[in-house]
Amino acid sequence: GQQVMQIPQYQHVQEGEDFTTYCNSSTTLSNIQWYKQRPGGHPVFLIQLVKSGEVKKQKRLTFQFGEAKKNSSLHITATQTTDVGTYFCGVGTGRRALTFGSGTRLQVQP
Amino acid sequence: EAGVTQSPTHLIKTRGQQVTLRCSPISGHTSVYWYQQALGLGLQFLLWYDEGEERNRGNFPPRFSGRQFPNYSSELNVNALELEDSALYLCASRLTSRTGELFFGEGSRLTVL
Repeated sequence: GQQVMQIPQYQHVQEGEDFTTYCNSSTTLSNIQWYKQRPGGHPVFLIQLVKSGEVKKQKRLTFQFGEAKKNSSLHITATQTTDVGTYFCGVGTGRRALTFGSGTRLQVQP
Repeated sequence: EAGVTQSPTHLIKTRGQQVTLRCSPISGHTSVYWYQQALGLGLQFLLWYDEGEERNRGNFPPRFSGRQFPNYSSELNVNALELEDSALYLCASRLTSRTGELFFGEGSRLTVL
């Protein structure tokens, strides 16, 4: 499947600070998905991005797809303790299985 | 509507044994994925089934195998268990093979002693 690099591996922030995780690919992606996995839970779909330069917002979460469709980011404004978890990006369409980046684990200090 | 269901939720095996994990996708979903998640690590792609056929296989040895039944449920079999097979095995289903979100089950936690 397609490979994506995800950074950072881990981030610890104070509640109220912002957080960003990035996914980068060496090849052009047809789309990218983002998932959140709470500690002890299973991954839950957040969003899918398809168009070049696309920006989507879900409350405090902002998702971007790069102009070249080779990178994507998830930005959380003013983190809350409920944001704790691991965020994964996933790529793969058509004949290619959906594979995931290594994930970014977010810890929020109250 | 029931979500993706997996069984068993927890199991303990010893090295060399064999295990079968089961997954029932959401009704109407034809595509099933299996992932391995070792403790604290990422989601490693194992197998992808769609319409009863294996579509893709991850970088795992042949002792990891599976199948999808006519009702779209799926099994993951692991033979000759090794200690490093200890992990959470997650099944996910999708409405179609080509796009759309994955719906994950709660997983089967396998411990190999």
